[in-house]
Amino acid sequence: GAGVSQTPSNKVTEKGKYVELRCDPISGHTALYWYRQSLGQGPEFLIYFQGTGAADDSGLPNDRFFAVRPEGSVSTLKIQRTERGDSAVYLCASSFLGRGGTGELFFGEGSRLTVL
Amino acid sequence: DAKTTQPNSMESNEEEPVHLPCNHSTISGTDYIHWYRQLPSQGPEYVIHGLTSNVNNRMASLAIAEDRKSSTLILHRATLRDAAVYYCILRVLNNDMRFGAGTRLTVKP
Repeated sequence: GAGVSQTPSNKVTEKGKYVELRCDPISGHTALYWYRQSLGQGPEFLIYFQGTGAADDSGLPNDRFFAVRPEGSVSTLKIQRTERGDSAVYLCASSFLGRGGTGELFFGEGSRLTVL
Repeated sequence: DAKTTQPNSMESNEEEPVHLPCNHSTISGTDYIHWYRQLPSQGPEYVIHGLTSNVNNRMASLAIAEDRKSSTLILHRATLRDAAVYYCILRVLNNDMRFGAGTRLTVKP
C-alpha cells in the first residue's frame, strides 16, 4: 500500500509497562508527525521530524515519551512506564515539504493504546 | 494553542451548501490555512489549503478574507458522507501543524 502504515493497530498494556508504536510513512515524504487523540478531542501535537531530526518536540507531555526516526523514514514512538492517562489513539502523519510540496498531511489509521 | 477558533458544531440539510467558519486573527503573513476532516474511526484527511486567494478543488472551496483573519470552508452540496469533524489549522513557518477541537458537522437527510 502507498499510504501511511501504523502498527500495532491496537495495543493493550498494563500500567508501568513500556510500549513502542511504529509509523511507516509514505515513501519520499520528508516530514513525519506524531499526534495523540483522546475521545471527543482534536489530535494533540506531540512531535514533528524533518528528515532524521526532531524539528519540534515541544508537544511531548513529559520525559516518558520519546520518538526516533533514525534513517529519515520509519519512526517509533516510545512510551516508558505507561500510565492510564496515556490511553488514546496515537496518529502518525507524513508530508512532503520539499520543492513543489503542498505540505498536505497524510494520516495513518492510528494505533489505539489502552493502559489498564 | 491551536491559533484558530471554530464553532463546536453545525448542522446542515442534505444537498444544501454548508459554510464552515474559522477565525485566525493572529495569522502571520507566511502561515498557510489548511482544512482537514475526520470521519468516525478514521485518521484526519486533507480537504483544501490556501494562502491568500480563494481556492477550489473537487471536495470543497476555501474563501479567505482579505485581511486573512478568517476563512470559510464551503461544501457546495452536503451529503451524508460529509458528516465529520472539520479542522481549520495554520501551517506556520516551521511547518508545525496543531489541531484544535474542530467543528462537528451533522448532515440531516
